[in-house]
Amino acid sequence: GQQVMQIPQYQHVQEGEDFTTYCNSSTTLSNIQWYKQRPGGHPVFLIQLVKSGEVKKQKRLTFQFGEAKKNSSLHITATQTTDVGTYFCAGDQDSNYQLIWGAGTKLIIKP
Amino acid sequence: GAVVSQHPSWVICKSGTSVKIECRSLDFQATTMFWYRQFPKQSLMLMATSNEGSKATYEQGVEKDKFLINHASLTLSTLTVTSAHPEDSSFYICSAEGGEYYEQYFGPGTRLTVT
Repeated sequence: GQQVMQIPQYQHVQEGEDFTTYCNSSTTLSNIQWYKQRPGGHPVFLIQLVKSGEVKKQKRLTFQFGEAKKNSSLHITATQTTDVGTYFCAGDQDSNYQLIWGAGTKLIIKP
Repeated sequence: GAVVSQHPSWVICKSGTSVKIECRSLDFQATTMFWYRQFPKQSLMLMATSNEGSKATYEQGVEKDKFLINHASLTLSTLTVTSAHPEDSSFYICSAEGGEYYEQYFGPGTRLTVT
């Protein structure tokens, strides 16, 4: 069936290091959304990418949507403790009215 | 990886009728499932937390008599929207908590349109 693979499952970084999470879909997506879930919280919408090859930035966060609209990435520059949480991608396929969720990447800042 | 399904994926119903949405964890047992409501390009709004074998815990402002939740088994939770009205039209997403580290896995959502 349709899947969105998200890697890595966990990433430990020192504060100040960069972080990247990747999502790959088995099918072409109409758009992809990114969410952040803080420990004990619930997913907060970050951004939606729609266009092939699109790149969007939010301060230290850079989001990319692949040319084939099958993969996407989220890159955080110079991580801070406030970035801790699990980052989810979710692919939207218009024809099915469904979101296909990645399993999430948990960002952990090493003490 | 862990898979969560929802059924139906989309439904259109008339005002005043009831609609049942199923959430299933296909390859793991989930003692806890969450039900969310989402509007386009907005964050997921938690409606209730469903625990197997006990009553659901509803968030403030969510009517428990309108949104009936049943978590009858470790792999199935249902949300019934009773006497649906057009303002109930939304995208409903469930998630199931499971695995060694109690990870949260999301279903694909159900789009409800009430006419």
